[in-house]
Amino acid sequence: QVHLQESGPGLVKPSETLSLTCSVSRYSISSDYHWGWIRQPPGKGLEWIASIYHSDYTYYNSSLKSRLTISVDTSRNQFSLKLTSVTAADTAMYYCARAGDAENFDYWGQGTLVTVSS
Amino acid sequence: EIVLTQSPGTLSLSPGERATLSCRASQTVSSRHFGWYQQKPGQAPRLLIYGASSRAAGIPDRFSGSGSGTDFTLTISRLEPEDFAVYYCQQYGNSPMYSFGQGTKLEIK
Repeated sequence: QVHLQESGPGLVKPSETLSLTCSVSRYSISSDYHWGWIRQPPGKGLEWIASIYHSDYTYYNSSLKSRLTISVDTSRNQFSLKLTSVTAADTAMYYCARAGDAENFDYWGQGTLVTVSS
Repeated sequence: EIVLTQSPGTLSLSPGERATLSCRASQTVSSRHFGWYQQKPGQAPRLLIYGASSRAAGIPDRFSGSGSGTDFTLTISRLEPEDFAVYYCQQYGNSPMYSFGQGTKLEIK
């Protein structure tokens, strides 16, 4: 059973950079599949943010693209997200997930709540 | 940009009843890459259906998916108490790469 675990600061100040890491166990992220980030503002729906494949191929939600960077550390079997210039609108639960064979997210982390506030 | 619109926004039913949830895409999407998720309060979403009609591992057979093109349906044949949750549809395509519907809340009547 693939396991994903998000980590990062629970609180970020406006205009600063949000950095999150997803640690993956029981599967090598360099082997296959897209690995991505999805967020969910409190009481709202799901929004795909970014995905990465084989370290070389990155994909971003166009509405956030100018502020996003997704990367992989294969030595640690982790992938990370950086979101710059955050505002209160970036307050959300952030999930990391694997997109399986059908490009549907079959494994998810438990999520990490990020609040943007001074 | 592909937009997924789910209906109804809220569905009120009783245990034992049949639930039919709809998801309509703003343009044709790939059935092979269409999925449904269940989310309960305080939990991450759980994949129910992938490829429009295949049940994910461990999902009871009362859950079924159908559809193609722009119209997709999730059916729960006989509602159990644990099925009351929020359901999301999701597609994979070019713009954006992945997108979700806004969700349907299935509540106990």
